[in-house]
Amino acid sequence: AQSVTQPDIHITVSEGASLELRCNYSYGATPYLFWYVQSPGQGLQLLLKYFSGDTLVQGIKGFEAEFKRSQSSFNLRKPSVHWSDAAEYFCAVGNDYKLSFGAGTTVTVRA
Amino acid sequence: ETGVTQTPRHLVMGMTNKKSLKCEQHLGHNAMYWYKQSAKKPLELMFVYNFKEQTENNSVPSRFSPECPNSSHLFLHLHTLQPEDSALYLCASSQVAQGVAEQYFGPGTRLTVT
Repeated sequence: AQSVTQPDIHITVSEGASLELRCNYSYGATPYLFWYVQSPGQGLQLLLKYFSGDTLVQGIKGFEAEFKRSQSSFNLRKPSVHWSDAAEYFCAVGNDYKLSFGAGTTVTVRA
Repeated sequence: ETGVTQTPRHLVMGMTNKKSLKCEQHLGHNAMYWYKQSAKKPLELMFVYNFKEQTENNSVPSRFSPECPNSSHLFLHLHTLQPEDSALYLCASSQVAQGVAEQYFGPGTRLTVT
């Protein structure tokens, strides 16, 4: 069975600082991996996805993620955080038509 | 309207009420999903409809009843709910072809059961 672990429940970062969110997955075959963001009172918005090819993928809002098969990880990064990046972030792994989500990481941005 | 829309955005209902949540996708997708999002818990997949056929029911109590009349509309009928059913209910859609497709989410319905 597939599963996703996001080890960090909450991260606080200063505006302008870099951000890295961790994601580890468990899946027997080649994974399809996703990162979503959820602002308060909103649904989930797709930031980026990895299906195959280049292991460094670029997404919207200046985010990128790197797939590392040897570590079963798909960490999300942003070089310089803006106050509007405060939100909850979810990593997901896909199988056929279904996604399994991690519990999420809440990001707080301080001025 | 674009993307995935959900109505109502907020709903308060008593345990003896019957209500329905509505989801509509304007993306031409062929699969639709209902998720339950509770505080501090991962998203729980409730139901999946693929080409209007229900392909997944993750042991959801019968007080939740889905309906998918066509590939653009999805309903969740609610009756005799419990307080622990209070949560954000999210609808999503995707285009299922080969492999795994990303899902697009609506803004959710915040349900409070009193």
